[in-house]
Amino acid sequence: KQEVTQIPAALSVPEGENLVLNCSFTDSAIYNLQWFRQDPGKGLTSLLLIQSSQREQTSGRLNASLDKSSGRSTLYIAASQPGDSATYLCAVMSSGSARQLTFGSGTQLTVLP
Amino acid sequence: DADVTQTPRNRITKTGKRIMLECSQTKGHDRMYWYRQDPGLGLRLIYYSFDVKDINKGEISDGYSVSRQAQAKFSLSLESAIPNQTALYFCATSVLKPLAGGGLDETQYFGPGTRLLVL
Repeated sequence: KQEVTQIPAALSVPEGENLVLNCSFTDSAIYNLQWFRQDPGKGLTSLLLIQSSQREQTSGRLNASLDKSSGRSTLYIAASQPGDSATYLCAVMSSGSARQLTFGSGTQLTVLP
Repeated sequence: DADVTQTPRNRITKTGKRIMLECSQTKGHDRMYWYRQDPGLGLRLIYYSFDVKDINKGEISDGYSVSRQAQAKFSLSLESAIPNQTALYFCATSVLKPLAGGGLDETQYFGPGTRLLVL
């Protein structure tokens, strides 16, 4: 059974700092890995999707990497802003799982002004 | 995402009551999902549907049922609510699209969530 772990559970950084969020998964047989952002009172917003054949994806100040063999992904946020404060969730779509996503428990990020 | 709506947004009910959570989407997606989220845990899949006549159990389907009345609507029912079903419930949609560089885009789009409290 696929298990997804995110460390740390919470992170607080000053504005302007670059930061890395970590995600690890136990079964490397995956279709893709997705990073989401969750804001209080709102649903999840998809940030980046990395196919299993890809090493990284970039969107603006966000860069997500994937090392399938070691079961790891990182989300890099450059020049953090207070508006980046949210919970970031990692989810993997495992091969043979009928397109089901397995989510990590998230990292709660606070960017201090 | 405003294209995926959930009703109600908040609900308080009592143990043993039957309740229904509704999800509607205007994205034209064929795939729909119901998840629950508990504090400190990730989202867990309850049921999913790839088409109007297709219903599949997820990781934690016990105590729940679903109905896919139309492509745009997917309802989740708690037949007899119990306190440990207190959680945040999310609906999501997706559609498989080929990507220019190969592979498929399977991004899921989420509704705003329904906060359910079972007393």
